[in-house]
Amino acid sequence: GENVEQHPSTLSVQEGDSAVIKCTYSDSASNYFPWYKQELGKRPQLIIDIRSNVGEKKDQRIAVTLNKTAKHFSLHITETQPEDSAVYFCAANLISNFGNEKLTFGTGTRLTIIP
Amino acid sequence: EAGVTQSPTHLIKTRGQQATLRCSPISGHTSVYWYQQALGLGLQFLLWYDEGEERNRGNFPPRFSGRQFPNYSSELNVNALELEDSALYLCARIPPSWGFNYGYTFGSGTRLTVV
Repeated sequence: GENVEQHPSTLSVQEGDSAVIKCTYSDSASNYFPWYKQELGKRPQLIIDIRSNVGEKKDQRIAVTLNKTAKHFSLHITETQPEDSAVYFCAANLISNFGNEKLTFGTGTRLTIIP
Repeated sequence: EAGVTQSPTHLIKTRGQQATLRCSPISGHTSVYWYQQALGLGLQFLLWYDEGEERNRGNFPPRFSGRQFPNYSSELNVNALELEDSALYLCARIPPSWGFNYGYTFGSGTRLTVV
């Protein structure tokens, strides 16, 4: 089955600096890679996603890069702000005979922005 | 986009009891996924239902079960509760014909505490 590894598990960054979270996946058939942000006590929210037909996608201060050959993808947050503090999860889809079967999630990164 | 509602928001049960968690439908969204998020841990896949049928289940014992109703709402049942079942349970929806275009929309979650 699909396995998604995520690093680091915790990350502290000075406000205004950049943060990078990395994930690797095992299923070469995976072609959809979303990132979720979960604030304390709240549900995970989709913040950005990327499909295998592109190598990079950017949305304001956040960007995601994908290297299909190496089977890894990364989340980049620039000009970090206190409200970026949260747990971030990467995920990859698992393909089956039914089509997209489910998302497999990484173990999460607790990002703390230091004012 | 319409939200995904889960009920109850909090549930306290004693060991050995049964718990029933509910997830509301979204018009046209035939699939529902259930995930367990234990404290400090990631999102573990529990069950996937589509068109009323169980399509896949994660590595959980049979006392975790569920069903999907004709209106596409869903229930998760946990029998013979154990202390380690204490967790946040999330349901998630995706639009039909996922076609690699959408991520999950998560419900607000049910926090189950087993004492």
